[in-house]
Amino acid sequence: NFMLTQPHSVSESPGKTVTISCTRSSGNIASNYVQWYQQRPGSAPTTVIYDDNQRPSGVPDRFSGSIDSSSNSASLTISGLMTEDEADYYCQSYDNPIRVFGGGTKLTVL
Amino acid sequence: QVRLVQSGAEVKKPGASVKVSCKASGYRFISYGISWVRQAPGQGLEWMGWISAYNGHTNYAQKFQGRVTMTTDTSTSTAYMELRSLRSDDTAVYYCARERDPFGVVIDWFDPWGQGTLVTVSS
Repeated sequence: NFMLTQPHSVSESPGKTVTISCTRSSGNIASNYVQWYQQRPGSAPTTVIYDDNQRPSGVPDRFSGSIDSSSNSASLTISGLMTEDEADYYCQSYDNPIRVFGGGTKLTVL
Repeated sequence: QVRLVQSGAEVKKPGASVKVSCKASGYRFISYGISWVRQAPGQGLEWMGWISAYNGHTNYAQKFQGRVTMTTDTSTSTAYMELRSLRSDDTAVYYCARERDPFGVVIDWFDPWGQGTLVTVSS
């Protein structure tokens, strides 16, 4: 099975833009969709990006997703950072039938 | 609205079994699948397996093969996850989450998630 590697933590100031990477260890990142989940302390995860770059209804357009085949990675970009964006973020993909999560990235907005 | 409501917290001794339930509402249960994901204290998310609510077909992560059983009761729109031979490192919050394809051909995003069930394994 493959692994998804994320940075352990990132931090940025309110109003700025941050990008969180998610690198696939084997297999083509473009072959299977990537999802991104936000998890606040004490709560269940919620989806912020699905199918690489799609936003569920209710998720602000400050959140965007992309993939880069050259680096075999996916990225979550959050622009206009708000203090409420402070949370853990997990990427997730699959190689049917196995689903795989990245290790998670703690975003601090300070 | 679409909801998954899980059973309450459990405390178990090492070697015991636990069965967590996940009751669905707001959608046609058999038209979707359910995945189970766990999260140990301070750790990340770990996928355990998936079950089709349509035909009961399952896929388990290799790590849990032989120790986990996932089932559904379509009469009550409820999914169950049983984990046996519990160890201290099974202490975690266990989540159920809906997936769109009941046949497992198309793997989709998890939405929604249940509220989580804390399982504590301690002697």
